[in-house]
Amino acid sequence: DGGITQSPKYLFRKEGQNVTLSCEQNLNHDAMYWYRQDPGQGLRLIYYSQIVNDFQKGDIAEGYSVSREKKESFPLTVTSAQKNPTAFYLCASSTGDGNQPQHFGDGTRLSIL
Amino acid sequence: SQKIEQNSEALNIQEGKTATLTCNYTNYSPAYLQWYRQDPGRGPVFLLLIRENEKEKRKERLKVTFDTTLKQSLFHITASQPADSATYLCADNRDDKIIFGKGTRLHILP
Repeated sequence: DGGITQSPKYLFRKEGQNVTLSCEQNLNHDAMYWYRQDPGQGLRLIYYSQIVNDFQKGDIAEGYSVSREKKESFPLTVTSAQKNPTAFYLCASSTGDGNQPQHFGDGTRLSIL
Repeated sequence: SQKIEQNSEALNIQEGKTATLTCNYTNYSPAYLQWYRQDPGRGPVFLLLIRENEKEKRKERLKVTFDTTLKQSLFHITASQPADSATYLCADNRDDKIIFGKGTRLHILP
């Protein structure tokens, strides 16, 4: 079955460490997205990519970095510069057309030790 | 600024009744509105999309309306069941990205 896989489901980070969240899709979608979800805040866009080797900042990109070297993969690195990284992180993909839905993974919950 | 807003943080509805959720937008006119369902600890799942020139869209027990005069979309679940309990998000496409409302938590009471 086609879909999006995020790993791991739960992740713990020590203060001052960088950590990378994985997102893989086999839907052959051009566009991929990273969101952060906090209680009562809804989904906030961190980064998105419309095509391989290109990506744009979303609304809350500070303290995060991404790469898009392959169409099916869009890893997110939470750097030590992100001062409040504890959150639920969601990856999504779509065809990139405005009238098409986004397909989401089941998220990674990041916590600080 | 352009905003998409969902009223009510939580909505309690008796089983069998119709649940109606609201999504309002201000200072712009979206071409499409999308509705998603999110269960705890899971990613959102797409339910329905409605275009600005469509008044209503249906899928089984779900119905979405789009009122460009009121700048509002309503999401209805008829004959609601406890299994419909979830958070429902509305979203619109803006500048090649989708912007989500904060969502409404729906509780169907048995």
